[in-house]
Amino acid sequence: EPEVTQTPSHQVTQMGQEVILRCVPISNHLYFYWYRQILGQKVEFLVSFYNNEISEKSEIFDDQFSVERPDGSNFTLKIRSTKLEDSAMYFCASTSGLAGLTGELFFGEGSRLTVL
Amino acid sequence: GNSVTQMEGPVTLSEEAFLTINCTYTATGYPSLFWYVQYPGEGLQLLLKATKADDKGSNKGFEATYRKETTSFHLEKGSVQVSDSAVYFCALIKGYGGATNKLIFGTGTLLAVQP
Repeated sequence: EPEVTQTPSHQVTQMGQEVILRCVPISNHLYFYWYRQILGQKVEFLVSFYNNEISEKSEIFDDQFSVERPDGSNFTLKIRSTKLEDSAMYFCASTSGLAGLTGELFFGEGSRLTVL
Repeated sequence: GNSVTQMEGPVTLSEEAFLTINCTYTATGYPSLFWYVQYPGEGLQLLLKATKADDKGSNKGFEATYRKETTSFHLEKGSVQVSDSAVYFCALIKGYGGATNKLIFGTGTLLAVQP
């Protein structure tokens, strides 16, 4: 069964360093998302991406964050200069047009980011 | 604004016990409601959904009924198994998701089922 894959599963970085989290969405999906969950808190929407551009972004998704779909298969989240408060589990998700209308997103296992 | 509140975990049950995980929501209009589940080492996956008031979503023995009068979508299962051990997330989407599909999640509830 097709699935969304994310790498790395866990990354530890120093404050101020750049981090790139990678995702391979399901191949025929058109809509892509990043969510995050700080430990003990809610899963929060960061950004959605469609037709090679950002559809919507949350207040969390400031200038330090960017997304890219560089080669038609990968979907990356970059944090330019990490802060302690960026420590969280980051989830990538994708959906097709039809499934998306019903709210069904397909999530990866998550990438845990720890900023020291 | 739109929000979801679900009961804090962990919830620890013996096999074959009855499960209820409470979820209430705040939203204007008529959101669609979801339960997502995350098994150990896996991504979140859709468990069940309901798109309008009084709808009952069901899957794998789990059920939840969309109650507009109490703004609730409680998850229930009559007899849990060890394999149901996971984190359960209640979520909503306002109207039709379309290109954004901005799911609004609760904090998640860890369920641990003991043999």
